[in-house]
Amino acid sequence: SQKIEQNSEALNIQEGKTATLTCNYTNYSPAYLQWYRQDPGRGPVFLLLIRENEKEKRKERLKVTFDTTLKQSLFHITASQPADSATYLCALDGDGNNRLAFGKGNQVVVIP
Amino acid sequence: EAQVTQNPRYLITVTGKKLTVTCSQNMNHEYMSWYRQDPGLGLRQIYYSMNVEVTDKGDVPEGYKVSRKEKRNFPLILESPSPNQTSLYFCASSSGQTYNEQFFGPGTRLTVL
Repeated sequence: SQKIEQNSEALNIQEGKTATLTCNYTNYSPAYLQWYRQDPGRGPVFLLLIRENEKEKRKERLKVTFDTTLKQSLFHITASQPADSATYLCALDGDGNNRLAFGKGNQVVVIP
Repeated sequence: EAQVTQNPRYLITVTGKKLTVTCSQNMNHEYMSWYRQDPGLGLRQIYYSMNVEVTDKGDVPEGYKVSRKEKRNFPLILESPSPNQTSLYFCASSSGQTYNEQFFGPGTRLTVL
């Protein structure tokens, strides 16, 4: 069956350190993968997209990698700040029809 | 300001009383979608629409209806709500082109007693 797996345990990290989140998928062949940020009770907000032929993408303090052989994406927040505390969702192209399939999200808590 | 709006934001209702949650976007997007989000289950797609008068089932369509008569609006209808439809609902839209991000509304928290 198809699965998108993100760590269910919250990541607690000291301010200034790099937070790294993992998204693993099974039985998908996505053309791209996206990462969203979600604050409690609010809608997800798009952060980054990476295509299958790209290995790495950066935006300010965020970096995403995509390894189609390992079927994995890594999401990094460098120099983390308390304001980065949120849940981060990975989403991928589920069927090539612009339909996104979402992981359950991974909470990040940045400790001052 | 480019946005997706949903109404109401909060709703408490009783089993069997028909309700509609409205969704509207001002970005001229072709693609619109409804999701529900439940603890431990993540975001699951209910219905989606690739364009006006074109709708299709997502992963959890049972108990829901949608319509897309205008490009900007995509209401979600619960004809006979049941307690297992208590959830946080999100509407989203995108341009419909490959690789494009989805814009989410603020959410509607529905409680069915």
